[in-house]
Amino acid sequence: QQPVQSPQAVILREGEDAVINCSSSKALYSVHWYRQKHGEAPVFLMILLKGGEQKGHDKISASFNEKKQQSSLYLTASQLSYSGTYFCGTEQGGSEKLVFGKGTKLTVNP
Amino acid sequence: SAVISQKPSRDICQRGTSLTIQCQVDSQVTMMFWYRQQPGQSLTLIATANQGSEATYESGFVIDKFPISRPNLTFSTLTVSNMSPEDSSIYLCSVTGATVPGYTFGSGTRLTVV
Repeated sequence: QQPVQSPQAVILREGEDAVINCSSSKALYSVHWYRQKHGEAPVFLMILLKGGEQKGHDKISASFNEKKQQSSLYLTASQLSYSGTYFCGTEQGGSEKLVFGKGTKLTVNP
Repeated sequence: SAVISQKPSRDICQRGTSLTIQCQVDSQVTMMFWYRQQPGQSLTLIATANQGSEATYESGFVIDKFPISRPNLTFSTLTVSNMSPEDSSIYLCSVTGATVPGYTFGSGTRLTVV
C-alpha cells in the first residue's frame, strides 16, 4: 500500500528549514528516503529501521515513529542543491521491496 | 555503492514491437528490482528479478508483457513486449547490496512508443 507524503510541494529560501512527512497504514519494517533531481535517477539519503537504527550519509536527519508508522525528513539550513523531489519508500516485513510515496517537490531559491 | 550501467538510455519504438533493457552491476548484489516511472510521478515496482528463477511480479504486471531474466548476480534484463503508447515511461533497475544501505538506481531508460 502506497505511503502518503506531505506536503506535495515546498518552496524555501536558502537557509530555511523544511519537514517532509511520510505515513503508512501498514506496519513498517523500514523507511527509506530518496532525492531525485530532474532527469536523474533517485539517490539514497537515509534508511530508518524498525528498532530505531538510522543509516545515511548526508547532512539530513530523519525520524521514525513505529507506533504511528510515520517518518519525517528534516532539512535544515537548506541549500540550493537540496532542490528536487523527495520520495519515501516503505518496506513491509523485511521483504526488501519498497513502495514509494507520490513525492514532495522541494524548491530552494536564492 | 554499486555502479549500474543501464542500456539503452532512451529509445523510440513502434507499437507492437518489443524492447529489451539491460542492467549491469559492477558487483554482486542480493536483490534486483525493476521500476517504472511516468514523468513527474512516483516509482511503481514492476517485479523483483530473482537469480536463477522466475521473477516475482507485482499486481498489475504480468510475465507475458514484462519478461525478466536474471542469469547471475550482476545482470538482469527487462523486456517490454507488444508495446503500446501506454508503455511510454521511464524504466529503472535498482539493486541492494549487503555492504551499503539503501537502493542504488540505474540511470533509467526513457521509452517512447509511437
